[in-house]
This record gives sequence, structure tokens and C-alpha cells, in this order.
Amino acid sequence: DIQMTQSPSSLSASVGDRVTITCQASQDITDYLSWYQQKPGKAPNLLIYDASNLERGVPSRFSGSGSGTDFSFTISSLQPEDFATYYCQQYDDLPLTFGGGTKVEIK
Amino acid sequence: QVQLRESGPGLVKPSETLSLTCTVSGVSMISYYWTWIRQPPGKGLEWIGFVSYTGSTRYNPSLKSRVTISADTSKNQFSLNLWPVTAADTAVYYCARSYGISSTSGRGYFDYWGQGSLVAVSS
Repeated sequence: DIQMTQSPSSLSASVGDRVTITCQASQDITDYLSWYQQKPGKAPNLLIYDASNLERGVPSRFSGSGSGTDFSFTISSLQPEDFATYYCQQYDDLPLTFGGGTKVEIK
Repeated sequence: QVQLRESGPGLVKPSETLSLTCTVSGVSMISYYWTWIRQPPGKGLEWIGFVSYTGSTRYNPSLKSRVTISADTSKNQFSLNLWPVTAADTAVYYCARSYGISSTSGRGYFDYWGQGSLVAVSS
């Protein structure tokens, strides 16, 4: 199985801050990586696919980059509605696997 | 718009079968793969498996011997059966659409999700 290591597992930030989350794959996954936002009691919501493509309707303050084994996800200016848990997911190989999640909390 | 909705019992006894159905609306099931994902309380996401509109399936090896996923395209539904269950199977179960890297691959990201169905395993 491809292991996805996300860091940090949690962070505290203020509105307006720039926030970056990293995701490392245990083997080369080219750019087959997506990012999701999950709020409490809700299903995850797709933000980024193919490592850097913004899903339709997702604000441009969200971005993703990377290829191979190292990826990052950035919120350029944190908004109140962005406090949530974020997950990466690889789809290079089966079984499909997720990172452990990063909880973004209010400082 | 595309919508998915899970339905099924919220409580299952240990050693019995967990059965859930996902009803898809707003899109035909044809040409896509349809996935089940679960999330134990307070924990991360686990891919369970997917079914194609043709009925082909792939499962997570961690669950493979216990899981069956099937599709009924005439009803625009797909289903999950997990047997036998233990307390470790207590989770929110999500159905989702896989947008595959190609039309013949279930490897992809999940662009539409159901709201989730909490299933508790307890006697």
C-alpha cells in the first residue's frame, strides 16, 4: 500500500495567515493527488485534484503543488470558514489511501 | 445537480451484516466508478472499495474477505455489504463518485459525496 504522511497533524492560525500543509507519499505517485476539506459532521469536499488543479467553485486562495512523492497545499489568506480538517489522497495505485489529516484551528 | 444519499440501518449487531445503499440522482451511473469510504469516530478516512457501472469491483485488501459492493444501474443505486461486523466497523460510511484517471479505471479522486451514514456495531 502507498502510505501518505501528512504534516502537521494540527496547527493553530489566525484569520489572514498563510497556511501550508505537506503530504509525502511512500513512493512516486506522479501527480495523482487530491486534497479535501472536511468540517465537523459533514462529508469531505474536493478542493484540488491532479496535485494542482482547483475544483470548480473552489476559491482561488486554495492551491496545491508538487509531484512524485512530495506535495503541498496552501491557503494564501485563511478565512473564518476555512477552519476544518484537510486530507490528501493518492490515486496512483490501489488501495486508494488518504493522509492522516491536518486540523486547522483558530489561534 | 449530482446528489448521493446513503440509506440503511444505523445499528448492527456483532457478527451480522452491515448493508447500505447509495441512491444516485442527477447523473447516470454509466461511465463512472462508485465508491464506499468510511470514517471511524474521530479518525481518518478509509477507502473500502468501488464498483463500476459494468459491475466490476475492487476492494481494499484490509476488508476484502468481508466486503461486497454491487450496482443496480436501472435503479441508479449501488450497495455495500460487510460481514461479519465487529465493533471496529463502527463508522460513518460515505458513498462517493470516483472521477477516474481514465474511463476504464476506478483509480481517481472523489468529486461527489453522500452526507454519510453513521453505523454503530453493538449488541
